[in-house]
This record gives sequence, structure tokens and C-alpha cells, in this order.
Amino acid sequence: DSGVTQTPKHLITATGQRVTLRCSPRSGDLSVYWYQQSLDQGLQFLIHYYNGEERAKGNILERFSAQQFPDLHSELNLSSLELGDSALYFCASSVATANTGELFFGEGSRLTVL
Amino acid sequence: DQQVKQNSPSLSVQEGRISILNCDYTNSMFDYFLWYKKYPAEGPTFLISISSIKDKNEDGRFTVFLNKSAKHLSLHIVPSQPGDSAVYFCAATSSNDYKLSFGAGTTVTVRA
Repeated sequence: DSGVTQTPKHLITATGQRVTLRCSPRSGDLSVYWYQQSLDQGLQFLIHYYNGEERAKGNILERFSAQQFPDLHSELNLSSLELGDSALYFCASSVATANTGELFFGEGSRLTVL
Repeated sequence: DQQVKQNSPSLSVQEGRISILNCDYTNSMFDYFLWYKKYPAEGPTFLISISSIKDKNEDGRFTVFLNKSAKHLSLHIVPSQPGDSAVYFCAATSSNDYKLSFGAGTTVTVRA
């Protein structure tokens, strides 16, 4: 158990819909990262928050948005869903930044868009 | 733009033998490298790391080697055990970056 909690674990929805994925980081961790893993691909970095502020953006679509709340949990919002958005979405947390230590990953949220 | 590449999608090795996983990177600014292990239905977990000031780091059965001039790193698992069967991701970052860049992963199967 990494201490990072992601909900829901599985989600099936239709094209055009909107979903929200939630992440609770490890106790004490200030950084939250979101990654997307599509079929047979590596983890693609989406976005990083540190103590409520956005610090870095990766290849995140404009239809996607995220935020980190004062209690440090984070939400990833995916809207106008397309078939290609079907993927595993991982949240990870760390005390500070990735280059000072390893990231702790949640079990992921598997999104299926039909 | 894939800055971290794992060109072998899979590796099969006999129990007790050595597993060697390879990883190449293109970004010369990367100075910290990590390996993660992932079992099905679980998130990746940190395995071992190496800073660019070193060329080798060892932790039990796991050793990571870094060749900066070739922009290449490898993970050696000796001896391989059935519990090592998993997907292994290579990752890299730099001192002024906030994210890890991951390779596509190598699926290791350890045969009894």
C-alpha cells in the first residue's frame, strides 16, 4: 500500500461525457502528479501540483483540467470524452519534487469510453 | 517526443539467471534516473535510482549502471526470482524539472 488513494478504480462512460478522477496523496506529501497510461505505452506526464499550485504541465489536452485543494487532494477533470481517452490514469505523490526522491503511485483509475 | 526509450517490450529469463533491462535517453539534461516495477492491477513502485554523478548503484539483487556518454542505463537483477515477474519502467528527470519521464516498459517473465 503506497498510501496514495485513487477513486474510482474503474469507470465506464460514453463519448462526450465528463468525469472526475480523485486522488488523495500520502500523508505529508505536498506534490501531486497525474499520469496517463494508454495501451502498451509508458506513463505520459499530464500535470504536477505542489501545495495547491500548478508547477508543470505535460501533454495535457485542453479538455482536461486539474486542481489541488487546500487539503492537498487533487482532482483530474476529463470532459468531452473521446474513445482515445480510454486509459489508466495514475496519481502519484511525493514530499517535494520528483528529482529529490521517488514518486508514490496510486493503483490507478481505469477509464473506458464507449 | 519519447525522451526515454525501452526498446525491448519483453524479456523471458530462467529462475536463478541474470535479467538485464536496457534503457536509452535523449535529453542530456537528465541527471537522475529511476527504475519502477509494476504488478498487474497495482501502481508502479520505486525500485532503485542513480544520480548522474555515479555510474553504478547496487541494492541487494538489483544493480543499475549508468553510461552517460552513451545516454544509456541498465538494470541487472541477479539472481532472478519468480516474484520479479512484472513490468519494469525506466524513468528520468533533471534538477530543474518537476516531472519524471517514463519509458514504455519491459515485461519480465521469470520461468521456473
